[in-house]
Amino acid sequence: NAGVTQTPKFQVLKTGQSMTLQCAQDMNHNSMYWYRQDPGMGLRLIYYSASEGTTDKGEVPNGYNVSRLNKREFSLRLESAAPSQTSVYFCASDPPEVTHYYTFGSGTRLTVV
Amino acid sequence: QKEVEQNSGPLSVPEGAIASLNCTYSDRGSQSFFWYRQYSGKSPELIMSIYSNGDKEDGRFTAQLNKASQYVSLLIRDSQPSDSATYLCAVSGGSYIPTFGRGTSLIVHP
Repeated sequence: NAGVTQTPKFQVLKTGQSMTLQCAQDMNHNSMYWYRQDPGMGLRLIYYSASEGTTDKGEVPNGYNVSRLNKREFSLRLESAAPSQTSVYFCASDPPEVTHYYTFGSGTRLTVV
Repeated sequence: QKEVEQNSGPLSVPEGAIASLNCTYSDRGSQSFFWYRQYSGKSPELIMSIYSNGDKEDGRFTAQLNKASQYVSLLIRDSQPSDSATYLCAVSGGSYIPTFGRGTSLIVHP
C-alpha cells in the first residue's frame, strides 16, 4: 500500500547511545518532515526537506541530524541520546500540488533511559 | 512565534449530538487551516482543510473559518463513538510550515 513507512516502531536506548530513524515514502512526494509528539505539547517540527538535497531546521532541531538520502528516504539521527528525547517521532510527506496535506507514518516510540 | 490554541478537553458529547471543536491562532497572515484526527496510539490523519472564510462541509464534518476573529472550528454532526479521538488544528501562512495546536480530546459516549 502507498504511504509513509517508518522503522523501527519501538526503541529503547541508553543515554549517550546513537540511532537512526528511517522513513520512506512511495508517493513521489517532494517534501518530507520529521515531527516529535510529547504529551501536552502537540506536534513539533524537528527538520524538514523541501526537496531532494535540501534540509532545513524546524522548531526543535537540537540534538538531531537528518539526511535526505534520495527522493524517497529521509532519516533522522540521534547522535547521543538524552532522556529529553523520549518521545513519539512521526515522519510525514506532502504532495507539491496540495502543500501541507500531510500523510504521516505510523510513528516510532522512543524511550531513552 | 506563531501560536495555535486549542482546549485540551476532554470534550464529552452523547452519541448523535453535534461536537464542536475550536481553535484560535495568532498570526493574522495565516492562509491555510487543517484539521487532523488522531486515534490513541496512532498517527494523525487529515480530515479537513479550509482556506476561505465561511463553512466547508464534507459528510458529517463542517469546518468553519473566521479570519477576522482568528478562529477555526470543526463541527461533527451525528457524533459516533468511533469519532472519539484527539483532533489537531494546524495553521500555516503561504509557504511556511504549519503550526499544530496541542489537540482537543473528544469522547463520544453511547
